[in-house]
Amino acid sequence: NAGVMQNPRHLVRRRGQEARLRCSPMKGHSHVYWYRQLPEEGLKFMVYLQKENIIDESGMPKERFSAEFPKEGPSILRIQQVVRGDSAAYFCASSQLQGAGTEAFFGQGTRLTVV
Amino acid sequence: GQQLNQSPQSMFIQEGEDVSMNCTSSSIFNTWLWYKQEPGEGPVLLIALYKAGELTSNGRLTAQFGITRKDSFLNISASIPSDVGIYFCAGPPGPSATNKLIFGTGTLLAVQP
Repeated sequence: NAGVMQNPRHLVRRRGQEARLRCSPMKGHSHVYWYRQLPEEGLKFMVYLQKENIIDESGMPKERFSAEFPKEGPSILRIQQVVRGDSAAYFCASSQLQGAGTEAFFGQGTRLTVV
Repeated sequence: GQQLNQSPQSMFIQEGEDVSMNCTSSSIFNTWLWYKQEPGEGPVLLIALYKAGELTSNGRLTAQFGITRKDSFLNISASIPSDVGIYFCAGPPGPSATNKLIFGTGTLLAVQP
């Protein structure tokens, strides 16, 4: 009964490269949320997706960032032309239902370092 | 936008001591969640509160949903070394129908054996 799986756990990219972060939700979960955590800060909401649909992307930068959750396969958070300020831990959470307080389970995160 | 402020920022205590931390908001929340994050890991939900005034326990942890709906408290009794981590409060902003959460600034807990 695997939990939320994120890979890679650590990712190093040079400035200007692309970063692809993957999230496989828990079995039976169709709601995925991405959060970003800067060092010594709390998590900040980025985007909420259901299968094949972006529901809320209000926390995601308008440029260089995109997210998808295809019918088959993991959810992908894509960062193009990375800059040093993109260095952070990116967490994915999934839930079975939509609803405030419905427990969302978090993955272990991907730590992106831009050099 | 809505913010959640946690205090204290950090606590350094001896094993066996009780711990209290709180979370305040400038606006009303209808759900309060408390998470623990250990180094290199994602947050893990400890306690969920859904009703003003509610007091809920999970083992040595007790949390309360403030009457004003603008605050919440987490207490840990008889702390042990494995309680070490960062504790975050969180909640869905406004009458949100989703799990989109605002997280607090966090309280770092260090427990000395």
